[in-house]
Amino acid sequence: ETGVTQTPRHLVMGMTNKKSLKCEQHLGHNAMYWYKQSAKKPLELMFVYSLEERVENNSVPSRFSPECPNSSHLFLHLHTLQPEDSALYLCASSQEGAGGRTQYFGPGTRLTVL
Amino acid sequence: DAKTTQPTSMDCAEGRAANLPCNHSTISGNEYVYWYRQIHSQGPQYIIHGLKNNETNEMASLIITEDRKSSTLILPHATLRDTAVYYCIVRVGRNYGQNFVFGPGTRLSVLP
Repeated sequence: ETGVTQTPRHLVMGMTNKKSLKCEQHLGHNAMYWYKQSAKKPLELMFVYSLEERVENNSVPSRFSPECPNSSHLFLHLHTLQPEDSALYLCASSQEGAGGRTQYFGPGTRLTVL
Repeated sequence: DAKTTQPTSMDCAEGRAANLPCNHSTISGNEYVYWYRQIHSQGPQYIIHGLKNNETNEMASLIITEDRKSSTLILPHATLRDTAVYYCIVRVGRNYGQNFVFGPGTRLSVLP
C-alpha cells in the first residue's frame, strides 16, 4: 500500500533533540490519525484530525505535538522525549462517509530515543 | 465499540485455507467488522470489512454469522507471505471520532 507515506522510516534521537515525523496521504482522504505501537503492545491511538481540525487527543503528553496544515499532510513534532517513547509511530488516513471508515496505514517510523 | 476475542496464535500449512475466527458477541447493529493484518514492523494492512453479508475480495473472504456475534476470515490458499498478526475490529462506521481499537490479534504462522 503506497497511498500513505511516512518519513523518515527510522529515527534515532537524544532526549534533548527536537525532530518531526511527516505523513502524507495520496488517497484524497479527509481524516488522518497518529498511532503509537510499543514493543509487544497493541496500537494506541494518539491523535485524530478531520478536515484539518483535531477532533481527538487521547491524553498524549505535551512533548508530542501534532500539526495538520492540510488534508494531505500530518506532522508529529517531538521534543524532550523519554526512552520509553521509543516505538513504531504509524500514520493512517480515511474518508468520511457511510459504509464504514476504512483506515489505510503508512509503513511507520521506527523511533529510538537514547 | 464492541470488544473482540481472537485466538492468540494459529498455524496453517502452505497452500491450505487459513480460517481465523473472531468472537464479537456484544456487537451492535450499526457496527462493522474489520480485518487488518500486520507483518512484522510494518503498518497494518487493510484486508476486508463487512456489516451483515459475507464479503469477498482478492485477498480474503469474510463470513459473518447470522446473529453477527462471530465471524471468520478465510485466506483461501495461504502462502508464507501471509504470516502475520491478524486483527479483528468492530466499530461504528458513521462517526470518525470512534476509532479503531486494536487488540492483541491472532499470530498466524504459515508453515512450509
